Amino acid sequence: AQSVTQLDSQVPVFEEAPVELRCNYSSSVSVYLFWYVQYPNQGLQLLLKYLSGSTLVESINGFEAEFNKSQTSFHLRKPSVHISDTAEYFCAGMNTGFQKLVFGTGTRLLVSP
Amino acid sequence: DGGITQSPKYLFRKEGQNVTLSCEQNLNHDAMYWYRQDPGQGLRLIYYSQIVNDFQKGDIAEGYSVSREKKESFPLTVTSAQKNPTAFYLCASSMQSDGTQYFGPGTRLLVL
Repeated sequence: AQSVTQLDSQVPVFEEAPVELRCNYSSSVSVYLFWYVQYPNQGLQLLLKYLSGSTLVESINGFEAEFNKSQTSFHLRKPSVHISDTAEYFCAGMNTGFQKLVFGTGTRLLVSP
Repeated sequence: DGGITQSPKYLFRKEGQNVTLSCEQNLNHDAMYWYRQDPGQGLRLIYYSQIVNDFQKGDIAEGYSVSREKKESFPLTVTSAQKNPTAFYLCASSMQSDGTQYFGPGTRLLVL
């Protein structure tokens, strides 16, 4: 069965430091991959996605992720985080056929001053 | 102003009661989804619908029911058979051509 694994349940980091949130997917998952962000008591917001083309995708707020087929990874990175980046981040993959997303269990990013 | 709306924001259920969560979208999306979110477990798919008048069970459909009479609407009923309904419920929609899912703001269901 397809699966998406987020290796860290929580990542603490200081403001302005770089961060990487790790995501690995099983090979049976289609190459459509997504990162979503969730702020407390809110719905999920799409951060970025990889459907095809360039393996490096970027969001408007400085995050980027790189699709690595050989390592079956789609890690999320930001070179300098802000307090406002504190949230939960979900990685998701889309199976072949119908667009049914499989989610990881989430990584809570905690940015402190 | 396009988007997905869910109501109510908070919902309280008494023992043995059925409650219905609303989800409406004006994005002209074909597919709609219901997820349940529990702390530490990520999102789990309850039901999904690709077209009007058709829907399929997800991974945790027991104790829930849905309908899709209109393209814009996909209400979820939490029945009395669902013994542990306390959770955050998220609705999403997507275009068939792309598959990217967009989410509503969620409804938190609490049991009295």
